[in-house]
Formats: sequence, structure tokens, C-alpha cells
Amino acid sequence: AQSVTQPDIHITVSEGASLELRCNYSYGATPYLFWYVQSPGQGLQLLLKYFSGDTLVQGIKGFEAEFKRSQSSFNLRKPSVHWSDAAEYFCAVGARDDYKLSFGAGTTVTVRA
Amino acid sequence: ETGVTQSPTHLIKTRGQQVTLRCSSQSGHNTVSWYQQALGQGPQFIFQYYREEENGRGNFPPRFSGLQFPNYSSELNVNALELDDSALYLCASSLPAGRRLSSYNEQFFGPGTRLTVL
Repeated sequence: AQSVTQPDIHITVSEGASLELRCNYSYGATPYLFWYVQSPGQGLQLLLKYFSGDTLVQGIKGFEAEFKRSQSSFNLRKPSVHWSDAAEYFCAVGARDDYKLSFGAGTTVTVRA
Repeated sequence: ETGVTQSPTHLIKTRGQQVTLRCSSQSGHNTVSWYQQALGQGPQFIFQYYREEENGRGNFPPRFSGLQFPNYSSELNVNALELDDSALYLCASSLPAGRRLSSYNEQFFGPGTRLTVL
């Protein structure tokens, strides 16, 4: 069974500083990996996804993530955070022959001025 | 293009009651998935509907049931509500590529329905 672990429940970062959110997955086959963001009162918005190929993927809002098969990780990064990046971030895993997504418990990001 | 919409926004029920939540999929999307997000947790897959039939189900009891209509809108029904059913219920629509239903197909999420069971 596939599973996702997000080790950090809450991260506080200063505006303009860099951000890295950790994600570890467990899946027997080649995973499809996703990062979603959820703002209060909003649905989940897809930031980026990885299916195959280049292990560094670029997403929206200046985010990027790197797939490391040897570490079973798919960490999300942003070089310089903005106050509007304060939200909850979810990592999810799926697969080519599996339509459902399995989500981690999420990481809440607080941005201080 | 209209995104995924859900109704109602909030709902309060008492234990033992029944509830129906509604979802309108994004234009042209014929696949709808439902997820339950308990407080402080990530979304958990409940089930998926494709062309009006249940296509797959997560680890949820039979009192969680659904429907998909010819216009691809969907309902989630929960019978005999329990306190632990209190959660945000998310609907997501997608358009399958070819005949295979895969998480390759981006799922577009609605804002959710917040259900409180007292």
C-alpha cells in the first residue's frame, strides 16, 4: 500500500527566506508524486507533479520539487517566500494504474514579517 | 470555465442522522472522486465515480454511498452519522486520458463541505 509521510507538522519562515518542505513516500512501483496547497476556505490547488523524466520539476508560484528515488523523497522548495505563501501544504502519491491519491498529513507554513 | 463547486458550505447534524453533500464537476469532466479530510489530517480517499458507476473505494464503511448523474454531478450520502464523521468533505473532478483511469489525470478540487456532527 502506498503512503506518504510529511515529517514537519508546522514550519515558520521569515518573508524573503527560503522554504523547504519534506515528503517521504512508500510505494512499490514507480510513483506519481504531487504537491498541493490549501488556503483557508479554499480547495486543494496543484502546485506541481512528477511522473517521470527530469527529477527537478518546476511548478506554479515559484515552487520546485526534486524527486530522489534513493531516498524515497519528493521535497518542495521555494527560494524566497512571500506572505501569501502561508497555507497548508500536502504531498500526495498516486500511480499510473491507481486513480486514487494518498495524501500526507500536511505541513502548515506560517510566514512572519 | 466553471470550476468544481460544492454545496452546502457548512452543515451541522446530530449523531444518527443522514446527510447528502453535492458536487458539480468542472465542465467536461466525467470522473468525480470524494475525499474526507479530518481536522489536522490529509484527505482520505472515499470513492470515485466514472460514467455514473462506482469505480473504486477506499477504506470506508457502506454507510458512505454515492451517486453520479448523467451531467456528471455527484452526491455523497452518509447514513447513521457518527461523531468521527465530522470533517471537511472534498470533491475532485478529472478527465481520464483514454480508457484507463489513472492519477496521471489532474484532479481539480472544490472548496469542500464542512460537516459537524454533534
